[in-house]
Amino acid sequence: KQEVTQIPAALSVPEGENLVLNCSFTDSAIYNLQWFRQDPGKGLTSLLLIQSSQREQTSGRLNASLDKSSGRSTLYIAASQPGDSATYLCAVKRIVANSKLTFGKGITLSVRP
Amino acid sequence: EAQVTQNPRYLITVTGKKLTVTCSQNMNHEYMSWYRQDPGLGLRQIYYSMNVEVTDKGDVPEGYKVSRKEKRNFPLILESPSPNQTSLYFCASSSANTDTQYFGPGTRLTVL
Repeated sequence: KQEVTQIPAALSVPEGENLVLNCSFTDSAIYNLQWFRQDPGKGLTSLLLIQSSQREQTSGRLNASLDKSSGRSTLYIAASQPGDSATYLCAVKRIVANSKLTFGKGITLSVRP
Repeated sequence: EAQVTQNPRYLITVTGKKLTVTCSQNMNHEYMSWYRQDPGLGLRQIYYSMNVEVTDKGDVPEGYKVSRKEKRNFPLILESPSPNQTSLYFCASSSANTDTQYFGPGTRLTVL
């Protein structure tokens, strides 16, 4: 059974810092991995999707990498801003033809001005 | 605007009173799913649908029903709600081509 772990559960950093959020998964037979952002009381917004054949994806100040063999992904946020404060979740999709995602519990990030 | 809508956004009900949470997407997506989010447990899939009239159980389907009669709609039905179904519910959709998941704004359900 696939398990997705995100540690630590919470992180507080000063504005401007570059930071890395980690995600690990137990079964390397994945179809893709997505990183999401969730603001308090809101739905999830997809940030980046990495297919199993890819190593990384970039969008603006965000860069996500994937190492399938070691069961790890990282989300790199450059020059963090207070507006980046949110919960970040990673989710993996199994390598079968359905839409099932397995989510980590998320990392709650607070960027201090 | 491409979006997933859910109604109602907030609902307080009593044990045993049947309810339906609606979900609709305007992106012609094939895949739709329902999740519940609980503190300490994270997001768990309840049901998913790969297309019209094709549905399957997720990780926590007990106490829920779904139907997919039209491509755009995927209602979640609680025939006899119980307090352990108090949760934040999300509907999501995705295209078979891109796989990026689009989530609705959530429905906060309280069962007394």
